[in-house]
Amino acid sequence: DIVMSQSPLSLPVTPGESASISCRSSQSLLHSHGYNSLDWYLQKPGQSPQLLIYLGSIRAAGVPDRFSGGGSGTDFTLKISRVETEDVGVYYCMQSIQTPLTFGQGTRLEIK
Amino acid sequence: EEQLVQSGAEVKKPGESLKISCESSGYIFSNYYITWVRQMPGKGLEWMGVVFPGDSNTIYSPSFQGQVTISADTSTNAAYLQWSSLKASDTAIYYCARPIAARAKYAMDVWGQGTTVIVSS
Repeated sequence: DIVMSQSPLSLPVTPGESASISCRSSQSLLHSHGYNSLDWYLQKPGQSPQLLIYLGSIRAAGVPDRFSGGGSGTDFTLKISRVETEDVGVYYCMQSIQTPLTFGQGTRLEIK
Repeated sequence: EEQLVQSGAEVKKPGESLKISCESSGYIFSNYYITWVRQMPGKGLEWMGVVFPGDSNTIYSPSFQGQVTISADTSTNAAYLQWSSLKASDTAIYYCARPIAARAKYAMDVWGQGTTVIVSS
């Protein structure tokens, strides 16, 4: 199985500041067609997960442009500019280049 | 509106059987994979497996192979997750989810509300 490792696991942020979450995979997620099979999800407290970013860098519908995904191969980053209180929750990366699909451990973003 | 509505919370005893459901609406059910995801209390997300309703093709995570059965019924537009003999360690919230594109397994943009399963003697 591909192992996904996120850091940090806890991320306190002051509103208005930016935040960055790293996700590393044990194998390359770069597909032969040139895209990366990496999604980012946010699970807000008490809610189902929601899709933020897919194929490494494509924002899902309705996701604010404060969220951006980057990276390639085995190293990926989710950046949140101008963090808002509504961004609180646990962020997960997930690889989909091979089954079983696997999630990172999650990064808990909290407001200072 | 495309949505997935899951069956209600369950409280079961070890050894009992259970089948939970995930009913779809607002899209062509047979064209999209349905994924099941487990979240144990206070823990992260675990991918259990997928089913393609169009041909019932199912892929399990090795961690869940033989422990659960994933299925789909195009006559009811519902996917199912079932256990033949529950264990206390099956206590978790189970989510179903649908990907953004037909025949894709990634980018799950429609999620059910989750079904809480508690297994306790």
